[in-house]
Amino acid sequence: EAGVAQSPRYKIIEKRQSVAFWCNPISGHATLYWYQQILGQGPKLLIQFQNNGVVDDSQLPKDRFSAERLKGVDSTLKIQPAKLEDSAVYLCASSLSSGISYEQYFGPGTRLTVT
Amino acid sequence: GDSVTQMEGPVTLSEEAFLTINCTYTATGYPSLFWYVQYPGEGLQLLLKATKADDKGSNKGFEATYRKETTSFHLEKGSVQVSDSAVYFCALSLNFGNEKLTFGTGTRLTIIP
Repeated sequence: EAGVAQSPRYKIIEKRQSVAFWCNPISGHATLYWYQQILGQGPKLLIQFQNNGVVDDSQLPKDRFSAERLKGVDSTLKIQPAKLEDSAVYLCASSLSSGISYEQYFGPGTRLTVT
Repeated sequence: GDSVTQMEGPVTLSEEAFLTINCTYTATGYPSLFWYVQYPGEGLQLLLKATKADDKGSNKGFEATYRKETTSFHLEKGSVQVSDSAVYFCALSLNFGNEKLTFGTGTRLTIIP
């Protein structure tokens, strides 16, 4: 089966600009996660969707970050305006919401550099 | 809050050496524990998992045992290969899988021939 797809793979922007990332989860996976991985740190959850509803966005900086999951499938994560400290890899993951296995499957990530 | 503390790297070993990467956790309740691996240029992959105390997760020659008394989940392999070179992350979740993962900082492992 196809894995989690993310685009773009790399993005370089200047501070105060806007950027958007796209994620297509594994077909049939109801739960979708966005993680931020800063260099030298482990991934940190930004937001979790169950179908098209938000389950947890407690660590999402809502003054500049937003995310949506249209029709419970694809998702976009937006940063507006970007700051230098937003430089990181943004990982999307998906999982089944029922059944035996709840393993999270990760995409390759989008590496964002803010200059 | 919940947290994972991982052995700092980088770790460099010769091929066929014994590997241990330490991981301890702090959590409310009874977490599930995971080891994820990130090979160069690839995304995170689940390596192994354990869902309750004394469970042993294993995969590709790697093992880790869920030790509730020491709140640990150390990763071990008896004989490492060059292909094991990667970054290894210990993680926990409070509800098996379908809940956010809390990760450690990662340990970069390099195996030299």
